[in-house]
Amino acid sequence: KAGVTQTPRYLIKTRGQQVTLSCSPISGHRSVSWYQQTPGQGLQFLFEYFSETQRNKGNFPGRFSGRQFSNSRSEMNVSTLELGDSALYLCASSSTLGTGELFFGEGSRLTVL
Amino acid sequence: GNSVTQMEGPVTLSEEAFLTINCTYTATGYPSLFWYVQYPGEGLQLLLKATKADDKGSNKGFEATYRKETTSFHLEKGSVQVSDSAVYFCALSDPTGSNTGKLIFGQGTTLQVKP
Repeated sequence: KAGVTQTPRYLIKTRGQQVTLSCSPISGHRSVSWYQQTPGQGLQFLFEYFSETQRNKGNFPGRFSGRQFSNSRSEMNVSTLELGDSALYLCASSSTLGTGELFFGEGSRLTVL
Repeated sequence: GNSVTQMEGPVTLSEEAFLTINCTYTATGYPSLFWYVQYPGEGLQLLLKATKADDKGSNKGFEATYRKETTSFHLEKGSVQVSDSAVYFCALSDPTGSNTGKLIFGQGTTLQVKP
C-alpha cells in the first residue's frame, strides 16, 4: 500500500511569490491534515480536511489556504511568501476522524529567499 | 491553552542503555496521548498511543503510561539500539472530543544512540 506522497519534495522561492504544495493520501483515507515544521516553532497545525470540507484551521494568516478534491488529494497554497515561511510542510492522512493516528508524508521543504 | 512540554535534547546514550524521555501536558478535558518518531529524512510515524488515564501504550519495546494525576506520558525503553536514533515527539489530541485530527506536538527530543 503506497504511503502519503508529497510533491514537490524541495523548492526554492523568493519573497512575494506564491507556492502550491500537493499531497496524495493513502488510498482509502479521506482525512488530510497539514503541519508546518520549523526549528523554532516545532510542528504547528495548519488545517484539516475531510470529504472536501475544511474541518479545522490552525492559527496561521489568511495567506495560507488549502483545499481537498473529490479523490481526497489535497493542496495547500501560500501566497505572498515571507522569509519566515521557510519550513518543512508535512501532510498527514487518516482513515477516520479523531483517532490521532496520522500517517505522514516525507514533507515538502520550502526555502524562501 | 493545551500544550505539551518535552525534555530538551539531545539525549545521547550507549547501546543497551535505559531510555526515558519526559513528556508533560496541559489540557482541559481528556485528550488522547501519542508518541511519534521521525527518523532522518523521513516523515513522522506513530510509535504508540494511549486514550485514557492509566492506559499503557507499547510498541517495538517502547512503553508510555498515561498518568492523569501527574499529567505525564513519559516514554521508556529498557535497552536502546543504534537504530532507535531519531527525533521523538509527544503529542495530544483535541481534548474536547470534537472528533478532529488536530494534534498538538511537543518540541521533539533528539535521541542519539552510540555503539
